[in-house]
Amino acid sequence: GESVGLHLPTLSVQEGDNSIINCAYSNSASDYFIWYKQESGKGPQFIIDIRSNMDKRQGQRVTVLLNKTVKHLSLQIAATQPGDSAVYFCAENYSGAGSYQLTFGKGTKLSVIP
Amino acid sequence: GAVVSQHPSRVICKSGTSVKIECRSLDFQATTMFWYRQFPKQSLMLMATSNEGSKATYEQGVEKDKFLINHASLTLSTLTVTSAHPEDSSFYICSASPGAFSGNTIYFGEGSWLTVV
Repeated sequence: GESVGLHLPTLSVQEGDNSIINCAYSNSASDYFIWYKQESGKGPQFIIDIRSNMDKRQGQRVTVLLNKTVKHLSLQIAATQPGDSAVYFCAENYSGAGSYQLTFGKGTKLSVIP
Repeated sequence: GAVVSQHPSRVICKSGTSVKIECRSLDFQATTMFWYRQFPKQSLMLMATSNEGSKATYEQGVEKDKFLINHASLTLSTLTVTSAHPEDSSFYICSASPGAFSGNTIYFGEGSWLTVV
């Protein structure tokens, strides 16, 4: 969901369950998308990326789905673990601009219940 | 693998003083680096693009005279917050990419916490 004011959307899941974090991106020209995990007080950590010529990409325990029609991105985490607790951001990039600058989504806080 | 390093990780300065934050690419050269600012419980917002050997490009609403950026070499960009005020207290993060050589992977530094008192 969308954040209101300074409050990040929060997703609470039971340890072992699957998590799905959603993101709506803004630029229809964006062709590169990345999911980052950010733990408290640290910089963003790369999780997985996907280019616009794909609609699904899988990594270790993570899957990213891209729906360009509705400009929607999702991150699925299988068998969620306590160490997955963090804030997750999606980011978009338009590689045609020749730049590596990213536009970040609002973020979702994932809390894993042991 | 490629690493981007920031220094200092935490800094406290008095209101009205200036503070410099460094961003280094440790094992690759980066003609472009990016500076982001993140307030608590908010997302990262791009402040400026640091260009080696030329002037930085600032995003709308970011004061270039307050946030001085110098990209003097292919491995170092610095952000200087001048005449700092408490509202400048934030988490500052830089990013860089080795370019096509690494599949255009974008790396982030660990961030620098600035507290202005």
